[in-house]
Amino acid sequence: DQQVKQNSPSLSVQEGRISILNCDYTNSMFDYFLWYKKYPAEGPTFLISISSIKDKNEDGRFTVFLNKSAKHLSLHIVPSQPGDSAVYFCAASGTGGFKTIFGAGTRLFVKA
Amino acid sequence: GAGVSQSPSNKVTEKGKDVELRCDPISGHTALYWYRQRLGQGLEFLIYFQGNSAPDKSGLPSDRFSAERTGESVSTLTIQRTQQEDSAVYLCASSLYQDLYEYFGPGTRLTVL
Repeated sequence: DQQVKQNSPSLSVQEGRISILNCDYTNSMFDYFLWYKKYPAEGPTFLISISSIKDKNEDGRFTVFLNKSAKHLSLHIVPSQPGDSAVYFCAASGTGGFKTIFGAGTRLFVKA
Repeated sequence: GAGVSQSPSNKVTEKGKDVELRCDPISGHTALYWYRQRLGQGLEFLIYFQGNSAPDKSGLPSDRFSAERTGESVSTLTIQRTQQEDSAVYLCASSLYQDLYEYFGPGTRLTVL
């Protein structure tokens, strides 16, 4: 039972264009969502997060959008750069002892 | 400051042998997590330690897997009688109590021949 789903295993985008990575979740008890970025042979690193009381959080080129009614969030990267090529994990967590649940990841390729 | 460290970085073992993987969390982090990532798959939760509370072992795939943590420091993940399906990258992460940001180590790549 996958509570956090990233249905696109990979995405290819031209440098300078927008990258949109999607994530769906099933548990309405989640109230905090995070995106992690992972390069090969390294551990994931925290990228950006959003609380369920917000619908948008922006940090430089990275913006996360949350649609609670649809149980959907997305990460927008604009403009995309070749150095953004990595695997992006969506994760969800909550209060009350919820451990963080990770999605399967989406591999982003940004072509120069 | 030092991040989360894991050792060894790579481990090749024969089927049926036992292996021990080590994690040194960030000093002061009371929460420690083990995950694994098999080829082409996402992060799979294994076990969670929080201070002196009983660990959450709900993600351990079989009784061949066990983990220990000494106080709020080092943790070891032990896999007994390894099988080929145990081949994966094993990632350790730590965080401050109730801090939702986890800091990951570089992982240990385990290959079972």
